[in-house]
Amino acid sequence: GQQLNQSPQSMFIQEGEDVSMNCTSSSIFNTWLWYKQDPGEGPVLLIALYKAGELTSNGRLTAQFGITRKDSFLNISASIPSDVGIYFCAGGAGGTSYGKLTFGQGTILTVHP
Amino acid sequence: DAGVTQSPTHLIKTRGQQVTLRCSPKSGHDTVSWYQQALGQGPQFIFQYYEEEERQRGNFPDRFSGHQFPNYSSELNVNALLLGDSALYLCASSWWTDSGYTFGSGTRLTVV
Repeated sequence: GQQLNQSPQSMFIQEGEDVSMNCTSSSIFNTWLWYKQDPGEGPVLLIALYKAGELTSNGRLTAQFGITRKDSFLNISASIPSDVGIYFCAGGAGGTSYGKLTFGQGTILTVHP
Repeated sequence: DAGVTQSPTHLIKTRGQQVTLRCSPKSGHDTVSWYQQALGQGPQFIFQYYEEEERQRGNFPDRFSGHQFPNYSSELNVNALLLGDSALYLCASSWWTDSGYTFGSGTRLTVV
């Protein structure tokens, strides 16, 4: 099935460093969402973006909805060990397709103390 | 406040068998969606239920079917299981028109 192109696939960083990951699509989305998934758990919503150009923060996390509606990025500042996990972007078409989210392949984040 | 509850947490089935997975949405949510997550991949949309009807469907065969009950809980049924159906099955709930899902922890299905 269709998936978004998420990069990088994995990152190994030192505690305290900043992290940036992004997601691109050939299709337009009306909603961009960022999730974090820990082993054995379901994805947890971090940030939701609903307007092109929107920049939203949640603590040390900042995400932006690309102006073309075909991309989004997530930044994590001053990483800590509990940031370890898999980060997924997801795009929603909206309208009559509110329910269907298309997910990226995920970015595996490892933080070394 | 309980989040999304899924049962069972793990399940092993034999190829050709049928399986039913269950989901109770977060309190106040009226919409349930099901996703399949293969190992190392992002979740793939199976279908969504609202007002006890299937509203949208992803690219999954008819072997995958579902149901939503008046209390908004939902079931996912998979018939004639294939080895390739082995995956984590995630249930997500929301309000209708809201894409900000709450996911459950999933049911890990292994087909042998």
